[in-house]
Formats: sequence, structure tokens, C-alpha cells
Amino acid sequence: GQNIDQPTEMTATEGAIVQINCTYQTSGFNGLFWYQQHAGEAPTFLSYNVLDGLEEKGRFSSFLSRSKGYSYLLLKELQMKDSASYLCAASSYNTDKLIFGTGTRLQVFP
Amino acid sequence: DAGVTQSPTHLIKTRGQHVTLRCSPISGHKSVSWYQQVLGQGPQFIFQYYEKEERGRGNFPDRFSARQFPNYSSELNVNALLLGDSALYLCASSQIPRGGDERRYFGPGTRLTVT
Repeated sequence: GQNIDQPTEMTATEGAIVQINCTYQTSGFNGLFWYQQHAGEAPTFLSYNVLDGLEEKGRFSSFLSRSKGYSYLLLKELQMKDSASYLCAASSYNTDKLIFGTGTRLQVFP
Repeated sequence: DAGVTQSPTHLIKTRGQHVTLRCSPISGHKSVSWYQQVLGQGPQFIFQYYEKEERGRGNFPDRFSARQFPNYSSELNVNALLLGDSALYLCASSQIPRGGDERRYFGPGTRLTVT
């Protein structure tokens, strides 16, 4: 089967660090996406991991462990504008289809 | 360059009616995929079209159909609308062959409300 699990909601304080975890089980796994989605808007691309390890991009970093079927998104120096849903999605070989998790709704408080 | 465009932005329909949603991919992108996102959930894959042919289909009833035109734009059609079809419908375009760019670029979506 194909399954993506991530927490439903998280809260954090402005300026803090938050880690959003994602576990996946997908056939023919190729890579792992993270998208940010503000309410009522389209998902916007944050990161894509194919190889094991940490990839850093400004305040956002993403980690992948293929052997464990595990990824996380790390957000540093949180800002109010980071309040959004964060979607974990797995891609598979030879298909354009993405399997999405339910999304993690992050609320950043002052 | 323009991003992925979708029309209309919002739509209100009555149960039993039919709806057509439209999508234009990024210039040069030949693959278009459709996703349904119900409130509070992640997007669910409906269809993928590449070079005017269906290349993938999600677990949706036959009331859902789509097509892709020679200019790579696409239409999603839903017949006999149900209340449960109320959702944000997202179109995503991508480069195939990927040339190293794995990203799927999403359009702003069409918010469909069925009453």
C-alpha cells in the first residue's frame, strides 16, 4: 500500500525552531517533497530530497532517510508568516503522481 | 514566464449539475496532473495527462474525466455533481523529460462548492 503520515497540527513561538516529521510507505519510491500551503492558496515548493541526508535552504532544511522511510522539515527563526500547512509528498519512479500526506497545520504565536 | 493558470477561480454548482475546469501549464511543460483537495486534507491525485494521453488515474469514479489539448492545456470534467465533490481542484504541470527538475508546479486552484 501507499501511506504518508505526518502530525495534524503543531504550534510554535516566533523565533523558535520547529521540526515537522513525515513517514512514508510507497512502492517505487523516488523522492520526497515538502510543500507549503497557506489557507485557500496553492501549494508552493519548498524542497525535494532524493538522497539520504540534510539539505539546507535558508531558514528551511529537509532531511531524508530512505532506509527508515522518514523525512523531516526543519524551520528555523520562525516568523508569523510561516503559519501555514506543510505537506509531505512522495514521488515514485515512472509516474508523475505525488502521494500527499494530510498536511501539518503549523501555527506560529508571537 | 507565466505560471500555471486555472479558471475559473471559484464556482458554485448544484447537485446533479456538470462542471468543467480548465488549466494551462507552464510554457514548455507537456505534463498536466489534476488533484482534488478537500478541506483539511492533502491533495488527492485524480489524473495525469502527457502528450494528450492519460498516463495515470487515481481512485475516482467515472463521473470524473479529463482531456489534454494539442497546446497541452487541459480540462477536468465532473458529471452528476455530489456535495462531496466540493473541494479545491488543483492543476500541476511538470517537465517531462525532467532534465533534473522534479518539481510539480501548482496552479492557484479552482474552489468548487456544490450545494
